[in-house]
Amino acid sequence: LAKTTQPISMDSYEGQEVNITCSHNNIATNDYITWYQQFPSQGPRFIIQGYKTKVTNEVASLFIPADRKSSTLSLPRVSLSDTAVYYCLVVSGKLIFGQGTTLQVKP
Amino acid sequence: DAGITQSPRHKVTETGTPVTLRCHQTENHRYMYWYRQDPGHGLRLIHYSYGVKDTDKGEVSDGYSVSRSKTEDFLLTLESATSSQTSVYFCAISEGGLGGKGSPLHFGNGTRLTVT
Repeated sequence: LAKTTQPISMDSYEGQEVNITCSHNNIATNDYITWYQQFPSQGPRFIIQGYKTKVTNEVASLFIPADRKSSTLSLPRVSLSDTAVYYCLVVSGKLIFGQGTTLQVKP
Repeated sequence: DAGITQSPRHKVTETGTPVTLRCHQTENHRYMYWYRQDPGHGLRLIHYSYGVKDTDKGEVSDGYSVSRSKTEDFLLTLESATSSQTSVYFCAISEGGLGGKGSPLHFGNGTRLTVT
């Protein structure tokens, strides 16, 4: 069963690029990697999903190296509204979320 | 946003009483899930459903039961609520299997349950 490990917290400033890395050493061949964002008093919201190499959408990029044992969520030019908890999820077995990374964006 | 409605949004109940939380979806997705979220534990899967009348346990299923008699509704029941079940409960849905392979989870806004 894949288990994910993320930093507990990160700080950044407005306009900077933020990279959050998640390690998932036991990822299975068919597992996808998905990232979610959660604001207080709301449910998590899907950001991006990938299987290998790089995926980009209108809000983020996801980088996955060839061995797929880690992945990096990249948020370009963050703003105060990006302050949230970010979860990495590897779909393996019973959809177990990790602890998440609390990102604090400062002015 | 995905059409997911959780009810009630807030509930206070006493220890030993039964409690039922409801999740209603308008997306016709096959998979539905119940999670609980607690400080220091993140999101933990309680039960999930892969079709009408088809359910399975998650990692923290003790003390909880679920039912799904219609595609759109997934009920979570605490038969005899305990203080350890005080939590925020989230319902989620996905079109395909277990939220992967192009089928991410979509979450409701949660039910805050307090057991006194």
